[in-house]
Amino acid sequence: AQRVTQPEKLLSVFKGAPVELKCNYSYSGSPELFWYVQYSRQRLQLLLRHISRESIKGFTADLNKGETSFHLKKPFAQEEDSAMYYCALAIQGAQKLVFGQGTRLTINP
Amino acid sequence: EAQVTQNPRYLITVTGKKLTVTCSQNMNHEYMSWYRQDPGLGLRQIYYSMNVEVTDKGDVPEGYKVSRKEKRNFPLILESPSPNQTSLYFCASSSLQGSFYEQYFGPGTRLTVT
Repeated sequence: AQRVTQPEKLLSVFKGAPVELKCNYSYSGSPELFWYVQYSRQRLQLLLRHISRESIKGFTADLNKGETSFHLKKPFAQEEDSAMYYCALAIQGAQKLVFGQGTRLTINP
Repeated sequence: EAQVTQNPRYLITVTGKKLTVTCSQNMNHEYMSWYRQDPGLGLRQIYYSMNVEVTDKGDVPEGYKVSRKEKRNFPLILESPSPNQTSLYFCASSSLQGSFYEQYFGPGTRLTVT
């Protein structure tokens, strides 16, 4: 069965510290993964996708098929990174995204 | 401005009183979807639509109906709401021509059923 797991509901780090939001997936097909973000009072929006291998707002995420993970990382957290983060898995052929439970990231000054 | 709109944004109702949450997009997207967001459960898909008159169930469709008579609109209907449908609801749309998985989300509708 396809599933996305974000083990941390809440994550709190200090400004300037590294941050890593964990995402693990279960999927028998070829995985395509995404990170979505929801800032306070804003809509949920796409942050990055693994196939583009880009860095957005200093965040990167590498797909590790061996560990079935797609962790989101940033070397130096900023206060504006405080938000709700969702990892999502594309289900090929079904035109569907399966979302994880979400992690609320708080960056302390 | 390209966007997805939802109405109402907040709704408190009583058990059994039929309600409709509207969703509209101005991006000419073929695909539209409804999700509910619950603490600890994340976003779960209720229904989706690939185009006009084409709808299908998501993961949690029980108690909900949808229709897609026009490309821009995708209302969510609760015929007989129950307290377990108290949740935050999001509508989303995307193009089937480009990057389908870049979904554009509405602002959300917070529904409370007493």
